Amino acid sequence: DAGVTQSPTHLIKTRGQQVTLRCSPKSGHDTVSWYQQALGQGPQFIFQYYEEEERQRGNFPDRFSGHQFPNYSSELNVNALLLGDSALYLCASSPGGGSDTQYFGPGTRLTVL
Amino acid sequence: GDSVTQMEGPVTLSEEAFLTINCTYTATGYPSLFWYVQYPGEGLQLLLKATKADDKGSNKGFEATYRKETTSFHLEKGSVQVSDSAVYFCALIRPPGGGSEKLVFGKGTKLTVNP
Repeated sequence: DAGVTQSPTHLIKTRGQQVTLRCSPKSGHDTVSWYQQALGQGPQFIFQYYEEEERQRGNFPDRFSGHQFPNYSSELNVNALLLGDSALYLCASSPGGGSDTQYFGPGTRLTVL
Repeated sequence: GDSVTQMEGPVTLSEEAFLTINCTYTATGYPSLFWYVQYPGEGLQLLLKATKADDKGSNKGFEATYRKETTSFHLEKGSVQVSDSAVYFCALIRPPGGGSEKLVFGKGTKLTVNP
């Protein structure tokens, strides 16, 4: 049973560019959450998707957007990249129906130059 | 808002020493509490969880007890190994339907175990 997978593993972009990160949830999970982890910090919640809709959003600007597909996989898009967007981006999945436990993927390391 | 406070690191121990990492929280209602572990260059792995007061979560020799009266969830292990070297995160989430489906994390505590 595959766990949460993310792609790519690493990514280098320049300021002003746009990036798309991808996530496939654990089998049987229908809810996907995205987190940003800056170096030396705890993860910060970006948003959560359920039934292809954004259910909740953290304190991130509109440059951060997402999508969930019918197969429950998800994308995170970041426009107009800033140096401060350099971080590890983590995807977590959880089953619907009231589960409180989220399982994380290995993350995508984004470096903005 | 909800928040989690962890003891400042880094923590350096010798193999077979006793480990305690303190965690306290502020939240409305009765959140579920978690410890996640992050090994170098990897994502987060769920270590243990507790969902109600006085519950004890345990896994791989690690334990933590949900203390409602002190709003704490301290992580303990009786005898650490070199392979336990990692960053440990305490986190909470409100119960489903509680208006927030997000995990709130502490800043993490880096543990180094020397042979």
